[in-house]
Amino acid sequence: GIQVEQSPPDLILQEGANSTLRCNFSDSVNNLQWFHQNPWGQLINLFYIPSGTKQNGRLSATTVATERYSLLYISSSQTTDSGVYFCAVTSYGNNRLAFGKGNQVVVIP
Amino acid sequence: EAGVVQSPRYKIIEKKQPVAFWCNPISGHNTLYWYLQNLGQGPELLIRYENEEAVDDSQLPKDRFSAERLKGVDSTLKIQPAELGDSAVYLCASSLGGNADTQYFGPGTRLTVL
Repeated sequence: GIQVEQSPPDLILQEGANSTLRCNFSDSVNNLQWFHQNPWGQLINLFYIPSGTKQNGRLSATTVATERYSLLYISSSQTTDSGVYFCAVTSYGNNRLAFGKGNQVVVIP
Repeated sequence: EAGVVQSPRYKIIEKKQPVAFWCNPISGHNTLYWYLQNLGQGPELLIRYENEEAVDDSQLPKDRFSAERLKGVDSTLKIQPAELGDSAVYLCASSLGGNADTQYFGPGTRLTVL
């Protein structure tokens, strides 16, 4: 099946700092989503972005489908941004949403 | 609009006991998914329903796990009997259409088997 690799696995940020999370995938995709799992375990949908660029407040994401990677940008980080960020993809011909292992982000005040 | 609803949020049982989890998807969503999430890992699909039909259950351990979505709306996932290794978070998700659509997740049920 499709492989999803996320980097860095762990990240500690000072409040106010910017960061970039990366997701590499091994095959062409027709679905790519970024999720934030908060400390209570809730998976929150951030972006549906199989290609292109989107922005939502302090967060933005870019997927370059031809080069098989996606980036999630967090600007002016806040303590509430702490948690695990997951990238998940579905490839053509395989109907399962495959998750990476996540990026554990801790934002300290 | 209400999100995906799951109950219970937490469950502690002794090994060999049965347990059931319930999920109500977002209204109008035809596709429903059950995922298993172990500590430090991403969710893994157990079963996917299109309306009332289970279209992908190849990852469901059928010797002890079962699921149903009788009227194509809410769904129940059951484990009987539970084993120590079943301790995990069980997540339900739904989407309007198939896998290429955005999936929305419920809060999950954290199961502890003693």
